[in-house]
This record gives sequence, structure tokens and C-alpha cells, in this order.
Amino acid sequence: KAGVTQTPRYLIKTRGQQVTLSCSPISGHRSVSWYQQTPGQGLQFLFEYFSETQRNKGNFPGRFSGRQFSNSRSEMNVSTLELGDSALYLCASSLDGFNEQFFGPGTRLTVL
Amino acid sequence: AQTVTQSQPEMSVQEAETVTLSCTYDTSESDYYLFWYKQPPSRQMILVIRQEAYKQQNATENRFSVNFQKAAKSFSLKISDSQLGDAAMYFCAYRVEYGNKLVFGAGTILRVKS
Repeated sequence: KAGVTQTPRYLIKTRGQQVTLSCSPISGHRSVSWYQQTPGQGLQFLFEYFSETQRNKGNFPGRFSGRQFSNSRSEMNVSTLELGDSALYLCASSLDGFNEQFFGPGTRLTVL
Repeated sequence: AQTVTQSQPEMSVQEAETVTLSCTYDTSESDYYLFWYKQPPSRQMILVIRQEAYKQQNATENRFSVNFQKAAKSFSLKISDSQLGDAAMYFCAYRVEYGNKLVFGAGTILRVKS
């Protein structure tokens, strides 16, 4: 069974631009969660999507948004990039809300 | 709000010896899950072990075991017979009973010496 995949793996953007990251969950998984990892703030929960609906949301500004498609693939979008958005963005998939989450390899975003 | 605290930024252990990583958490919930995740230099997060709060028995996975003290809100990870491949950042994480929002601690870097 293929694991969680994230594309692209690396991304370089400049301040003010926007970016879209993609996450394909394990086949059959309906929940996708996104996390931001930075040296200063550690691992922080962004949001979770389950069956195309946002089920949980973390404390991030509205510049961070996401969506989930009918095939459970998820995208997250960050608009008006700031230097502080440079981070490793991890997504994780799960069958539902009871089972363990499996993480993808992450997308390393650098904002210049 | 739930919080997770890992008070050891870095730990070292000699190969084949035992090491314990500490974690405390704060919650007002009675039902929840606790996890230890390993993040090697590749950055791939790997689940090491999980504990359901309603279970009194401590979870064990091969060389990894936990000491879960619900009243004290403590959840430590013991790694026995440490191997070079155990070197990584270890994160303690909390999750409410239902839902996929994980709250992570700051992490502990584990170094294994040969």
C-alpha cells in the first residue's frame, strides 16, 4: 500500500506570493491533517479535513486555507507569504478520527 | 487548552543501554490518546507507540515501552537495548478521543553513542 505523498517536496517563493501544497492520503483514508513545523514554534496543527469538510482548525491566520477533494486528496494554500511561513509542512492521513495518523515526507517551503 | 511538555531538549545513551524520555501533559478530558513519534533526519514522522487513556496497562512495542501515570499526567518512553538507528528527534503528542488534531511537545533529540 502506498504511503502518504506530498508534492512538491521543496519550494522556494518570495514574500507576497501565494503557494499551494498537495497531499495524497493512503488509499481508503478519509481524514487529512496538516501541520507546520518550524524551529521556533515546533509542530503546530493547521487544520483537518474529513470527507471534504473542515473538521478541526488550529490558530493560524486566514491566509492559511485548505480543501479536500472527493478522492480525499487535500491541498493547502498560503496567500501573501511572509518570511515566517518558511517551514516544513507535514500532512497526515487517517481512516477516520479513531485510528492512527500516517505522515507524509513533508514539503519544505522557503520564503525569501 | 491541552499542552504537552517535554523537559529534556537532548538526551544521550550508549548503544545497548536503556534511556527514558519524559513527557507531561495537561488536559481536562478523561478520554484521550497519547503518542510517541520519532522523526529521524529524513524528517519522516514515524509512530513509535500509542496509549489509550482508558487503558491502565502500559503499552509496549518491542524495545519501546511507556510508563503512563494518568493521575500525574505523565507519559514517559523507555527505549531498551538502544540502537544507532534510534537516534532521532522524539515527540510526545496528545489527541482527544475523537478527531485528528495532535498537540505536540517541543521534542527531545536522542543521540546514541557507539
